[in-house]
Amino acid sequence: DGGITQSPKYLFRKEGQNVTLSCEQNLNHDAMYWYRQDPGQGLRLIYYSQIVNDFQKGDIAEGYSVSREKKESFPLTVTSAQKNPTAFYLCASRPGQGYEQYFGPGTRLTVT
Amino acid sequence: ELKVEQNPLFLSMQEGKNYTIYCNYSTTSDRLYWYRQDPGKSLESLFVLLSNGAVKQEGRLMASLDTKARLSTLHITAAVHDLSATYFCAVDIYPGGSEKLVFGKGTKLTVNP
Repeated sequence: DGGITQSPKYLFRKEGQNVTLSCEQNLNHDAMYWYRQDPGQGLRLIYYSQIVNDFQKGDIAEGYSVSREKKESFPLTVTSAQKNPTAFYLCASRPGQGYEQYFGPGTRLTVT
Repeated sequence: ELKVEQNPLFLSMQEGKNYTIYCNYSTTSDRLYWYRQDPGKSLESLFVLLSNGAVKQEGRLMASLDTKARLSTLHITAAVHDLSATYFCAVDIYPGGSEKLVFGKGTKLTVNP
């Protein structure tokens, strides 16, 4: 089955710890994206990558880091510098211009 | 900076009624997308609108795009409970040659029996 997987589904961390969220796709899509969603809010773009070994900051990149070493994988690290990390994180990929983004199932991160 | 505004943000309607959700955006774009999100779930693509005058229909939902007015509408016909969800529109922009989507805040639709 082709698709986007995110793991884990739920993640709990203590304040001050870095945590990495996984995103893998086997759709052969070039572009991948990370979004954050807070309760009752829309999606805000954290980082995106159009090709391997290249990525751009989105609207709320502070306190986050990413890498794109393989086409299939785009992990997101939430660092201790992120002031309010508790949120629902969604990864997406896209085959190219004019196509919609396809979303993974999401990871719900809770930091206490 | 591109702004995408949806209204209403909350919509409660009775089964069998019709209603329209509006999506306005502030800069030129000819690509607009509609998504559905159920509570606690991910986003599901509903419609891709790629040109002025584009109209797409699926079941009780119909989406249209007017790029000159920078407006898209999502029309609901004879609503049923299963349509209860949050609906997002998103617009393509191209900063520095790359591409990204900017999302509206979403319209939470509740269809009551």
